[in-house]
Parts: sequence; structure tokens; C-alpha cells
Amino acid sequence: AQTVTQSQPEMSVQEAETVTLSCTYDTSESDYYLFWYKQPPSRQMILVIRQEAYKQQNATENRFSVNFQKAAKSFSLKISDSQLGDAAMYFCASMEYGNKLVFGAGTILRVKS
Amino acid sequence: EPEVTQTPSHQVTQMGQEVILRCVPISNHLYFYWYRQILGQKVEFLVSFYNNEISEKSEIFDDQFSVERPDGSNFTLKIRSTKLEDSAMYFCASSYRETEAFFGQGTRLTVV
Repeated sequence: AQTVTQSQPEMSVQEAETVTLSCTYDTSESDYYLFWYKQPPSRQMILVIRQEAYKQQNATENRFSVNFQKAAKSFSLKISDSQLGDAAMYFCASMEYGNKLVFGAGTILRVKS
Repeated sequence: EPEVTQTPSHQVTQMGQEVILRCVPISNHLYFYWYRQILGQKVEFLVSFYNNEISEKSEIFDDQFSVERPDGSNFTLKIRSTKLEDSAMYFCASSYRETEAFFGQGTRLTVV
């Protein structure tokens, strides 16, 4: 069974600084996908970034990038040049091919001005 | 940009009543999902739907729950007899491929 663990319940970052959110996962499949979702106070789930496990290259979306360590089953999210609008709950999730998303417990990110 | 639309945004219902949560997935998507999030807890999978039938369901998705795609655009979740513990945020999601999911803004269900 898939499991996703986010060990940081809460993180803080100064505006314009860089922050890294941690995530580890477990799966028995070789074909799977990893995601970071952002949930602002409105509680909408917004896809931030997606990584295919078969790709060695780390995914990047503007200020968001991941550090995907397949052997260690680690998938961290780096937010560069943090902005006030980045403040939200961030969920790490995994999906085995053709299967459901399994979410971690989430990390609250606070951005200080 | 196309998006998944859910209605209503907030529903309050009496315990024991039936509710129907509605979703309009992105138009060319083939895979449809319902997830829920009890306040302060993680997001949990309920059910996935493909080719007009349920492809997978979780233990939460018992006989009180059902899903339907009554026409080419809507995807509904029905809870037959709501319980207090059904109070949660319900998210619809859709995808074109089996390797991603795009979420709607959610429906907050409050059972009183």
C-alpha cells in the first residue's frame, strides 16, 4: 500500500527567502507519480508540481522545484523567492499508475513579511 | 483555462437527509474522482470512475454513497442518509490521463 509522510506540521519563511518542505513516500510499484498540492485558506486544492518517477530530472515550475531522490523515496519541494501568496497548507501526494492519490498530512507554510 | 466546477460551495443538511453534490469535470477528461477532507485531517480518496463505472472505491465509500454521470457533463456524489461524521469538504477531481488529477474548489458539507 502507498504511504506518504510529511514530518513538518508547520514551517515559516521570510518573504523573498527559500524554503524546503519535506516528504517521504513508500510504494511497491515502479511506475508512479508524485505531486505537491497547495491548499490556501479557501481550501481549494491547487496542483503545484508533478514528477514522474521514471524521470531522473527534477521537475521545475517557475519558483517551485523538487528534489526527487528515488532510492531514498524522498520528494521535497523547494520554494524560491517566497511570496506572501505562497502561505498555505502544502500536501505531498503519490499516485501509482491507474490508481488513486494518497496524501500526506500536510505542512502549513507561513510567510513573514 | 478549463477548470473543475463544484456546486454548491456550501451545503447544510439535517442528519438522515439525502444530499447530492455536483461536479462538472473538465470537458475532455475521462477519469473522475471524489475525495473528502474532514477539517484538520488529510485528504482521503472515496471513489474513482471511468467508462461509466466505478473503477475503485475506498472503505469509506459504503452503501450510503453512490456516484453517477447522468449526462455527458455532470458527475454527482449522493449520500443517502447523512451522518454527523459525513461533515467534511468534498472534492471532485478529473483527469485525461490516469497519472494526474485536477481538483474543483470543493463543497463544504455540514451535517447538523
